[in-house]
Amino acid sequence: DTEVTQTPKHLVMGMTNKKSLKCEQHMGHRAMYWYKQKAKKPPELMFVYSYEKLSINESVPSRFSPECPNSSLLNLHLHALQPEDSALYLCASSQPGRGSGNTIYFGEGSWLTVV
Amino acid sequence: DQQVKQNSPSLSVQEGRISILNCDYTNSMFDYFLWYKKYPAEGPTFLISISSIKDKNEDGRFTVFLNKSAKHLSLHIVPSQPGDSAVYFCAAETSGYALNFGKGTSLLVTP
Repeated sequence: DTEVTQTPKHLVMGMTNKKSLKCEQHMGHRAMYWYKQKAKKPPELMFVYSYEKLSINESVPSRFSPECPNSSLLNLHLHALQPEDSALYLCASSQPGRGSGNTIYFGEGSWLTVV
Repeated sequence: DQQVKQNSPSLSVQEGRISILNCDYTNSMFDYFLWYKKYPAEGPTFLISISSIKDKNEDGRFTVFLNKSAKHLSLHIVPSQPGDSAVYFCAAETSGYALNFGKGTSLLVTP
């Protein structure tokens, strides 16, 4: 089972709203990621959690707030977003650390539209 | 600064023929390389990977070749099928974390 599940699949929110994206995996992976992908561009890393601790924050604006409640769940809290934040948000997971076995598996993504 | 480059934005191949997708990288510290396939409106799906200690990895119709001295890898799909039509991303990593993605190559397999 290499499944990473993301909800919701589609989200439309106003610039003053607060919403959350959710991600779940049951592969026993201890590293979880948020990526952002715009049309015709490769995914861009936002955050990395390793063993439920935030290990990488790629200078993401504070209107994006990640949370890792446990080893299977990863949330992305959204507040006061801008229209340019509209994109596909991808959650991913893997085993942490170096090694050729560290394949990263992606969820299907959450399409976010900010109006 | 793009450390992983896919210089062909698109490729069209006839069904049954070989598809060859190319990828170049600049960072000699990359030690693990992956190919992802992406359909529109879906997340990337892991396809095949190769460690820097190998020069070839094969999985069914998919083979990845790595030439470390040239900092070049390629994905061969043979025979190509219409269902292979998708965007293919090459990715590389060093620390076991952040993947560095290329910009993708859109493959179209025509009947």
